[in-house]
Amino acid sequence: EVQLVESGGNLVQPGGSLRLSCAASGFIFSDHYMDWVRQAPGKGLEWLARIRNKANSYTTEYAASVKGRFTVSRDDSKNSLYLQMNSLKTEDTAVYFCTKGYRGGGTWYSGDYWGQGTLVTVSS
Amino acid sequence: DIQMTQSPSSLSASVGDRVTITCRASQGIDNDLAWFQQKPGKAPKSLIYAASSLQSGVPSKFSGSGSGTDFTLTISSLQPEDFATYYCQQHKSYPLTFGGGTKVQIK
Repeated sequence: EVQLVESGGNLVQPGGSLRLSCAASGFIFSDHYMDWVRQAPGKGLEWLARIRNKANSYTTEYAASVKGRFTVSRDDSKNSLYLQMNSLKTEDTAVYFCTKGYRGGGTWYSGDYWGQGTLVTVSS
Repeated sequence: DIQMTQSPSSLSASVGDRVTITCRASQGIDNDLAWFQQKPGKAPKSLIYAASSLQSGVPSKFSGSGSGTDFTLTISSLQPEDFATYYCQQHKSYPLTFGGGTKVQIK
């Protein structure tokens, strides 16, 4: 059974940093792209970041809203995905989800499996 | 960036109704589109990928169609468990943008 479990969410002051983790199980983690998606309270979904697999050199993509402040990484030996968040702003307050990537019709999609989410609150 | 526009933003429907949700891309995305369902307080659930391919385990009452810029998600006979918010997401180019969501409510 595929499982994704996020952790690390917390209350943090503006300008602060936080590192989120996502523990994966039930699939060959190293084969898959992985993404982070967030949802601000009462708002829609926002894609944040992608990290490709080793076969694709672990390259990354980011949304403009987080580029330069957030860094996605992975440790295939630990089946874990991370999101390092720096220079946090109040507008970063959201539930953060990790999602598993999969191949469909030649395209890498995300989100056939999601974690339960972890809440990040940025407030003074 | 590719903008994804969903319509309507909300709708009211009755059990048994056929419901159609539209998603329009600001530029052509071939068929690189996915649909998700989200219930309050829960993570989204994948329904469809590649515009019309049903995700494993998703009931066949859900169907997707479209290519290029215009896409639809159809629920053939709405059931109580289908009342939720639905999102489209393009996977053609980065950033991978979502539509604003369509909330399906009980009439």
